[in-house]
Amino acid sequence: GQQLNQSPQSMFIQEGEDVSMNCTSSSIFNTWLWYKQDPGEGPVLLIALYKAGELTSNGRLTAQFGITRKDSFLNISASIPSDVGIYFCAGPGGGSNYKLTFGKGTLLTVNP
Amino acid sequence: DAGVIQSPRHEVTEMGQEVTLRCKPISGHNSLFWYRQTMMRGLELLIYFNNNVPIDDSGMPEDRFSAKMPNASFSTLKIQPSEPRDSAVYFCASSLRGAGSYGYTFGSGTRLTVV
Repeated sequence: GQQLNQSPQSMFIQEGEDVSMNCTSSSIFNTWLWYKQDPGEGPVLLIALYKAGELTSNGRLTAQFGITRKDSFLNISASIPSDVGIYFCAGPGGGSNYKLTFGKGTLLTVNP
Repeated sequence: DAGVIQSPRHEVTEMGQEVTLRCKPISGHNSLFWYRQTMMRGLELLIYFNNNVPIDDSGMPEDRFSAKMPNASFSTLKIQPSEPRDSAVYFCASSLRGAGSYGYTFGSGTRLTVV
């Protein structure tokens, strides 16, 4: 089946630093979604991207839909302690419109 | 809106026992999903319901797992008999139109431990 590869697997940064993470696929995605999972909670949708090349922001978060449609990037500026969590990329794949394929996630730790 | 509500939040059971996980989707959402999350395999789709009808259960591990959606506001995931390898966090999610392109709303999950 389709797989999404996220990198890095984990990051340990200082408060105030900027963060970049990415997600790649061997096949084309028409939609890219970025979720965040806080400890002990379910994933929450942060940003949705629908067009190749699209750049979308949500506060300090900015995500981009790669031109090749096989990758996406998420940046967090001026990180704060509450940014801690696991960030997942996801997209509808496997030939269906409803089934989301998730990456394995990037674990972000922010040191105050 | 109360969001997707799952119960219980935590469940510890002995191997061989029956386990029932419950989910109340967001009112008005016509699609419901059960996912399982483990360290090794990440988030995996177990089953998808649309308008209370199971559409895709290809992710259900084996016959020990069953899911029902008797009405638009309630779904259950049952494991009988449970095994230690079933230990995971189980998420229920719902969406309008069933379109993955718009993302799902997840519940807070049920952490299942089978000893």
